[in-house]
Amino acid sequence: GQQLNQSPQSMFIQEGEDVSMNCTSSSIFNTWLWYKQDPGEGPVLLIALYKAGELTSNGRLTAQFGITRKDSFLNISASIPSDVGIYFCAGSYHTGANSKLTFGKGITLSVRP
Amino acid sequence: DAGITQSPRYKITETGRQVTLMCHQTWSHSYMFWYRQDLGHGLRLIYYSAAADITDKGEVPDGYVVSRSKTENFPLTLESATRSQTSVYFCASSVVLFYEQYFGPGTRLTVT
Repeated sequence: GQQLNQSPQSMFIQEGEDVSMNCTSSSIFNTWLWYKQDPGEGPVLLIALYKAGELTSNGRLTAQFGITRKDSFLNISASIPSDVGIYFCAGSYHTGANSKLTFGKGITLSVRP
Repeated sequence: DAGITQSPRYKITETGRQVTLMCHQTWSHSYMFWYRQDLGHGLRLIYYSAAADITDKGEVPDGYVVSRSKTENFPLTLESATRSQTSVYFCASSVVLFYEQYFGPGTRLTVT
């Protein structure tokens, strides 16, 4: 089945630094989604990408849909303490009856003040 | 703008008991989903629904029952709870199947 790889499981950065996270798969996807989950809350959609090569920003966040359709990255610039949380990627594939949304296991981000 | 709500937020129950987790959305999204989140497994789809009275199994449906009599509600029932069902359960909704999904705040269920 389709699997998404996010690594490492945890990242530790200093406040003010930029950080980049990758999500890779052996399968192609039509849509890539990036979510953030704060402790004790549900995942919140950050960015959605619909086209190979697409680069989309949301404030300090930038995400790209890989040209091969098998990967995506999320970049956070000038990190702040509230960026702490778990970042999930999700890939969506649509073929009618075989449509599926697959989630990565997430990367836990810690930001040192 | 309530969006998607879940109740209860926390529940402790005993093995063998029936428990129902509630999910309500105010967006009139056609699709609704139930996931469980466990360490090491990430989010796993239990059941989903395309509309009232239309439901389908996800990746881990065993031990769970769903119904959807109204578009806005999608309850999840554990008919006879087991310790392996201790988890955090998230409800989600979307306009299009397996596109952008919007999650509720979760229910933390402990089965003793």
